[in-house]
Amino acid sequence: GIQVEQSPPDLILQEGANSTLRCNFSDSVNNLQWFHQNPWGQLINLFYIPSGTKQNGRLSATTVATERYSLLYISSSQTTDSGVYFCAVELGFGNEKLTFGTGTRLTIIP
Amino acid sequence: DAGVTQSPTHLIKTRGQHVTLRCSPISGHKSVSWYQQVLGQGPQFIFQYYEKEERGRGNFPDRFSARQFPNYSSELNVNALLLGDSALYLCASSLVGGSAEAFFGQGTRLTVV
Repeated sequence: GIQVEQSPPDLILQEGANSTLRCNFSDSVNNLQWFHQNPWGQLINLFYIPSGTKQNGRLSATTVATERYSLLYISSSQTTDSGVYFCAVELGFGNEKLTFGTGTRLTIIP
Repeated sequence: DAGVTQSPTHLIKTRGQHVTLRCSPISGHKSVSWYQQVLGQGPQFIFQYYEKEERGRGNFPDRFSARQFPNYSSELNVNALLLGDSALYLCASSLVGGSAEAFFGQGTRLTVV
């Protein structure tokens, strides 16, 4: 099956810092989403981004489908950004499940 | 608009018992998927249903079953519970079966003792 790897696994930053999270996947995908999992377990949708670049406030994401990677940028980090960030991919064409990456645990220190 | 709702939010069961988890998708969404997330790992796919038909099944034993109702809500059933079934169970809904953004509920945290 498809492999989805995220890096770094853990990231500790001071409030106000910027960060880049990476997601590599081993096959062509039909769908890619980024999620933030809060301490209560809820998966919050950040981006639906099978290709291209999107921005939402302090967050932006870029997916380069031909090179099989996606990047999530967080600028001016706040303590509320702490949590685990997952990317998830869908192969499509009859295989429509989401395969999640290994996650990046982000801790923002005040 | 209400998001994806799951019930119950927390549950404690004894080994060997049976459990039923419930999920109501976002209004207008016809696809529901179930995922299991054990501590420290990403969610793992269990089932997908679209228009009341099973569209996919993950690598889980036959003790796990699910169904989707005419109103598109869904149930996940687990029989003969094992300690290893302790996990966060997440339900996701999407407009269609594939190539559509998935939205997750808050999850049901199941503890098997």
